[in-house]
Amino acid sequence: EVQLVESGGGLVQPGGSLRLSCTASGFTFTNNWMHWVRQAPGKGLVWVSRINGDGTLTTYADSVKGRFTISRDNAKNTLSLQMNSLRADDTAVYYCVKWAEGGTWFDPWGQGTLVTVSS
Amino acid sequence: SYELTQPLSVSVTLGQTATITCGGDNIGSRNVHWYQQRPGQAPVLVIYRDSHRPSGIPDRFSGSNSGNTATLTISRAQAGDEADYYCQVWDSSGGVFGGGAKLTVL
Repeated sequence: EVQLVESGGGLVQPGGSLRLSCTASGFTFTNNWMHWVRQAPGKGLVWVSRINGDGTLTTYADSVKGRFTISRDNAKNTLSLQMNSLRADDTAVYYCVKWAEGGTWFDPWGQGTLVTVSS
Repeated sequence: SYELTQPLSVSVTLGQTATITCGGDNIGSRNVHWYQQRPGQAPVLVIYRDSHRPSGIPDRFSGSNSGNTATLTISRAQAGDEADYYCQVWDSSGGVFGGGAKLTVL
């Protein structure tokens, strides 16, 4: 069974930093692009970032470009998101998601981790 | 950037058919995927590539895509189908989601 488990969320002050992690199991991690998608409280889903299987290609949404860094450790089956210069509008549940092999859909999703940016 | 438009809410009577639309410029030329999100839970894929159902998804869920509108159809609606439903495509700029439609089963 494919499982994605996020951790690292919490309360951080504006301008601060936080690092999210996602531990993957049940599939060959290195074969898959991985993504982060976020959801502000009461709002819809917003794509954040992606990384290819060997970690050499990354893409970011304009809203986080230059502030967030996605990375992966294939030896540990772990995906990370380093978030710097956090703002109130970064407050959201962050989901780790697996991209389908040969497709453009997201399946499955982790349970999410809540990041709250507030003073 | 590409945009997807969904109705804010859709209502359906128990046992009847619900239709949730997703509008986008020439969306019929793209692959559209649908997710169900129940309150307090992570999204779950219910339709991929316009009309394909993942294993474990009931055949009451179906999808179509043509022209400027993609459609998710839920037949014989059940109370457990109450959820938010999101459409999604992949664009050169990244993943694009519709705003989500809240399905209420009356």
